[in-house]
Amino acid sequence: SQKIEQNSEALNIQEGKTATLTCNYTNYSPAYLQWYRQDPGRGPVFLLLIRENEKEKRKERLKVTFDTTLKQSLFHITASQPADSATYLCALAGYGGATNKLIFGTGTLLAVQP
Amino acid sequence: DTGVSQDPRHKITKRGQNVTFRCDPISEHNRLYWYRQTLGQGPEFLTYFQNEAQLEKSRLLSDRFSAERPKGSFSTLEIQRTEQGDSAMYLCASSWAGTAGWTEAFFGQGTRLTVV
Repeated sequence: SQKIEQNSEALNIQEGKTATLTCNYTNYSPAYLQWYRQDPGRGPVFLLLIRENEKEKRKERLKVTFDTTLKQSLFHITASQPADSATYLCALAGYGGATNKLIFGTGTLLAVQP
Repeated sequence: DTGVSQDPRHKITKRGQNVTFRCDPISEHNRLYWYRQTLGQGPEFLTYFQNEAQLEKSRLLSDRFSAERPKGSFSTLEIQRTEQGDSAMYLCASSWAGTAGWTEAFFGQGTRLTVV
């Protein structure tokens, strides 16, 4: 069955450092990979989308890479700030059959210490 | 359009009662998703609609759960004979998907269900 794995342990980093979060997937060939941010008690909020034919995408302090051979995406937040503390979710979507829906990983909790 | 809205925000019910949640998606979106989320976990897929058609329902979903999206507009999720294990946050999301590609999903604030 399809599986999406993210760092199970919380990631603690110092303000100003780069946070790197990992998303690995198996038994899946997604056409799109998305990253969302979720704050406690609230719904996820979209951050970035990357297509299967794209290697890297950037938006301000955020960078996403997508390696379809390794079946992995890396999500980077540069110059991290305490306000970046949240849970970050990886989500996959594709076309046809069982992939034709948006499914989420378990999420990684990021804590940026001042 | 003010985004995806869900109602109610919180629901406390006694075990065995039926509950119904409502989701109003962004009007131009053709996709509507329902997810369930428990503490420390990611959103778990329940079901989704393309316009008014329910295209997939998770195998994890028992027959006590049913969802509708009449006329491809708002959607309802009903849970019959609630159990304590149904306690969770129920999230609704909408997006647009077609042959030209996908857009991001927009989520509502969720409905927090507590079964006592």
